[in-house]
Amino acid sequence: EVQLVQSGAEVKKPGESLKISCKGSGYNFATSWIGWVRQMPGKGLEWMGIIYPGDSDTRYSPSFQGQVTISAYRSISTAYLQWSSLKASDTAMYYCARLEAASALGYWGQGTLVTVSS
Amino acid sequence: QLVLTQSPSASASLGASVKLTCTLSSGHSSYAIAWHQQQPEKGPRFLMKVNSDGSHTKGDGIPDRFSGSSSGAERYLTISSLQSEDEADYYCQTWGTGMNWVFGGGTKLTVL
Repeated sequence: EVQLVQSGAEVKKPGESLKISCKGSGYNFATSWIGWVRQMPGKGLEWMGIIYPGDSDTRYSPSFQGQVTISAYRSISTAYLQWSSLKASDTAMYYCARLEAASALGYWGQGTLVTVSS
Repeated sequence: QLVLTQSPSASASLGASVKLTCTLSSGHSSYAIAWHQQQPEKGPRFLMKVNSDGSHTKGDGIPDRFSGSSSGAERYLTISSLQSEDEADYYCQTWGTGMNWVFGGGTKLTVL
């Protein structure tokens, strides 16, 4: 069974750093792109970026380029999304997902709620 | 620019059918899309991929009540025999060049 399991909810202060994770299982993690999606409270889904764990090829949405860093360690089947200096506007639910056009496969993580408040 | 357009809301009665629409921007009518369902207070779930020829491939465990189709630049999600648990937000999504994903704004479906 394919699963994407994300790390738990976080409460941080503005200016703090954060790294959240997404662990894949049930498939070859190294050979599938993993994307990150933001959902702000009451809003829709926004694509942030994507990584290919096999060679760490990473692409970012222009809206998020320079604001976050996406990484992955294929040896432990885990992808990461990190911030160096959080803002209150980063408060949102963050999802990892594996959405493949060629194979028509789609899997989502359960989401990680990030709350940034002073 | 690759853009997906969805109506913000739709409604239909319990037991009836509803057809949701996702429209691809000009020049992108050959693109496949995916439909995702997000029930209240839950994460998204992949429903299906819909190709430009109208063929579709559903995700694991998606009921037969859900089907997809296409016409030109429009991609559809039809839900028949509506149930209360179908009340949710429905998002279409596609794959652009350079591996980027594009989401539509979502349609909030109310089951009356």
